[in-house]
Amino acid sequence: QVQLVESGGGVVQPGGSLRLSCAASGFTFSIYGIHWVRQAPGKGLEWVALIRYDGNNKYYADSVKGRFTISRDNSKNTLYLQMNSLRAEDTAVYYCAKGCCSSFSGDAFDSWGQGTMVSVSS
Amino acid sequence: DIQMTQSPSTLSASVGDRVTITCRASQSISSWLAWYQQKPGKAPKLLIYKASSLESGVPSRFSGSGSGTEFTLTISSLQPDDFATYYCQQYNDFSHTFGQGTKLEIK
Repeated sequence: QVQLVESGGGVVQPGGSLRLSCAASGFTFSIYGIHWVRQAPGKGLEWVALIRYDGNNKYYADSVKGRFTISRDNSKNTLYLQMNSLRAEDTAVYYCAKGCCSSFSGDAFDSWGQGTMVSVSS
Repeated sequence: DIQMTQSPSTLSASVGDRVTITCRASQSISSWLAWYQQKPGKAPKLLIYKASSLESGVPSRFSGSGSGTEFTLTISSLQPDDFATYYCQQYNDFSHTFGQGTKLEIK
């Protein structure tokens, strides 16, 4: 069965950096686009970033563009999110999610990890 | 970016009721719409993709319809396990916008 397990969350000061990881199993990781989606406490869902199956195409929400970098290592079945210049408004649970059902541009998400909490606070 | 607006924000209903949640897009998204269910402290779960396709393993009491800018999620007969928050999401473009959510509460 598909499993996605996030790690790397924690408490960081404004302006700091953090790297999240998402370990995948139960499917052929290298043929799927994978996303990061976040949810601030008590709020709705916000898409963050997408990396295509081969790592050659990456897309970001405007709110994180230039600060966050998505990457993947298909040899390790692992997704990453490098987060720099963190702000209080980046505080959220971060989920990795497997893309499915693609349009020409985007994806729905058919499998999700359990999430990892990132708190940006002084 | 495409904006997604769900209504209502909160819905009170009883077990056995038929309920409908509406999602409107700020521009046409063809049928590139998904619906998710989320329970407190848990990750979202895909229910419907491409506006009306039922995800494997999802009960048939859930159905989706619509195209263009207006979409609906219908639960034909509410079960106790269905009380949760529901989100729509467009994937017509890379912004992957979600609606603000509809909390389905027990009346």
